[in-house]
Amino acid sequence: AQTVTQSQPEMSVQEAETVTLSCTYDTSESNYYLFWYKQPPSRQMILVIRQEAYKQQNATENRFSVNFQKAAKSFSLKISDSQLGDTAMYFCAFMKQGAQKLVFGQGTRLTINP
Amino acid sequence: DVKVTQSSRYLVKRTGEKVFLECVQDMDHENMFWYRQDPGLGLRLIYFSYDVKMKEKGDIPEGYSVSREKKERFSLILESASTNQTSMYLCASSPQREWYNEQFFGPGTRLTVL
Repeated sequence: AQTVTQSQPEMSVQEAETVTLSCTYDTSESNYYLFWYKQPPSRQMILVIRQEAYKQQNATENRFSVNFQKAAKSFSLKISDSQLGDTAMYFCAFMKQGAQKLVFGQGTRLTINP
Repeated sequence: DVKVTQSSRYLVKRTGEKVFLECVQDMDHENMFWYRQDPGLGLRLIYFSYDVKMKEKGDIPEGYSVSREKKERFSLILESASTNQTSMYLCASSPQREWYNEQFFGPGTRLTVL
């Protein structure tokens, strides 16, 4: 069974700073997908960024980028130039290729301070 | 835009009551999911359905059942609510593809069982 671990329950940074959220996972699969989802306060969860395990290049979406280390089974999320609207719970998630189900980590509550 | 709606944002029920949580999606997605979200535990899959009248148990199905009579609607049923089922319940849907499947989430229902 796959597991996903987010070791930082809470983080807090000043606006415009860069912040990195950590995620590690455990799997014996070689083909899979990794995701970061964002859940703003009282709002719906949305996908931030995704990474296919077979791709060596790290995914990037505007201010959001990942550091994917397949051998280390690590998948961190970097948020550059953080904004107040980045305040949210962030969940790391794993999906085995061909599966339909996500396995989520415990979440990291990120607060961006003005 | 994908829209996933849930019947209630907040719900208060008494121990022993039968509780129905409804979820509707408007994107003709094959897959639908029910999760519960608890602090420090992340999201845990209760049940998932990949087609009408089809269901599969997730990681924590005990005390829950589901119904999917129409493609767009997926119901979660608590046969006899208990206080340990007080939680946030999230519904999600996704298309069924060979490659990664982004899940789209509803706003959640915060259920309190007294």
